[in-house]
Amino acid sequence: DAKTTQPPSMDCAEGRAANLPCNHSTISGNEYVYWYRQIHSQGPQYIIHGLKNNETNEMASLIITEDRKSSTLILPHATLRDTAVYYCIVRVAGEGGSNYKLTFGKGTLLTVNP
Amino acid sequence: DSGVTQTPKHLITATGQRVTLRCSPRSGDLSVYWYQQSLDQGLQFLIQYYNGEERAKGNILERFSAQQFPDLHSELNLSSLELGDSALYFCASSREGLGETQYFGPGTRLLVL
Repeated sequence: DAKTTQPPSMDCAEGRAANLPCNHSTISGNEYVYWYRQIHSQGPQYIIHGLKNNETNEMASLIITEDRKSSTLILPHATLRDTAVYYCIVRVAGEGGSNYKLTFGKGTLLTVNP
Repeated sequence: DSGVTQTPKHLITATGQRVTLRCSPRSGDLSVYWYQQSLDQGLQFLIQYYNGEERAKGNILERFSAQQFPDLHSELNLSSLELGDSALYFCASSREGLGETQYFGPGTRLLVL
């Protein structure tokens, strides 16, 4: 699986958009970008994933650059409950892989301030 | 709530002992994954089962073993416990185990004294 690079920490004001970047310059054509978050030792929570098109769901938006070497997770209106460690993971999805484990890095600690 | 359940939530035991952690996947999911999260190693993949069969192995110690039963629940057995085994153990499940989204349970916190 391709390696990802994320800033160790970020701050965001409550009510503002939180934009979390992720670099994955060695991503392969059949690898998806996944985002999970972990709120204080709870189980990781799935947020969103995408291959090459931008994606949006009720939690967040995912913007993937055209060359697919980086992406940004956007939380449109951050709340205090969004304070968590956010993990960007690149992984093969669908048939074609041999191990579908998730490889977690250190992630980005997002702190939403009142 | 992801739909994945894990028991117990907390476990305190002594070195040398053996414990069993249990996981029930989301309804309809055939694949179960186990992960360990320790302070120094972060979240690490241990093992994956699909419909009762082992599918992939990660950094799982020989003292650890797992199985998935016909009703699809899974158990992670940890034996000859050491202080360093203290960690959070998470179970995740997915539909087919071919790279679909994995959904995580709330975890079991193990403390070895």
